[in-house]
Amino acid sequence: DAGITQSPRHKVTETGTPVTLRCHQTENHRYMYWYRQDPGHGLRLIHYSYGVKDTDKGEVSDGYSVSRSKTEDFLLTLESATSSQTSVYFCAISERTGGSTDTQYFGPGTRLTVL
Amino acid sequence: AQSVTQLGSHVSVSEGALVLLRCNYSSSVPPYLFWYVQYPNQGLQLLLKYTSAATLVKGINGFEAEFKKSETSFHLTKPSAHMSDAAEYFCAVTPGGTSGTYKYIFGTGTRLKVLA
Repeated sequence: DAGITQSPRHKVTETGTPVTLRCHQTENHRYMYWYRQDPGHGLRLIHYSYGVKDTDKGEVSDGYSVSRSKTEDFLLTLESATSSQTSVYFCAISERTGGSTDTQYFGPGTRLTVL
Repeated sequence: AQSVTQLGSHVSVSEGALVLLRCNYSSSVPPYLFWYVQYPNQGLQLLLKYTSAATLVKGINGFEAEFKKSETSFHLTKPSAHMSDAAEYFCAVTPGGTSGTYKYIFGTGTRLKVLA
């Protein structure tokens, strides 16, 4: 299994509070991703990173920000949580090298509930 | 733009029967295609991937998929279902080759139920 951990694994918070989710990898992969998974929507990309301090938006980035100050850590922040952000959040990593197919490897997920 | 459509959000098969999960894609460039499996309360695990080397791809746990360009399909099959195959399956597409943004587009998933 790829060395990816997510913390916390479960969190319950209240509307309007800030929340930070952490993804940590031990694979030294360049690319890191944050997805949310919701019934009927599959996985949707929130933000991704292609290197330290290099990030870009995905398809559902509103209300989320990210930071990557070290190769191994990618943080997802909900500045002011809303009930619509109740979801399961997955981190993924990948490394495209010559001949690679950019396979993404997923963490175990964080279940976030916003009351 | 790329997209993926998985037909059937829920599929039920009897143990020992053929498993067929459908995935159709849309892509303006030659794609890479993936199937992932998600067991309850776990992350996604790669089953198999198509990278243009061979159209019939064999994966883990006895699954395989065939890339059919003329049908823009990448259906997942397994000859004989096992109870342990019960899970949710996701098809994903990304631009192939050295270009692209390294982003996946996922389908909405198919939940497979295996009946005893």
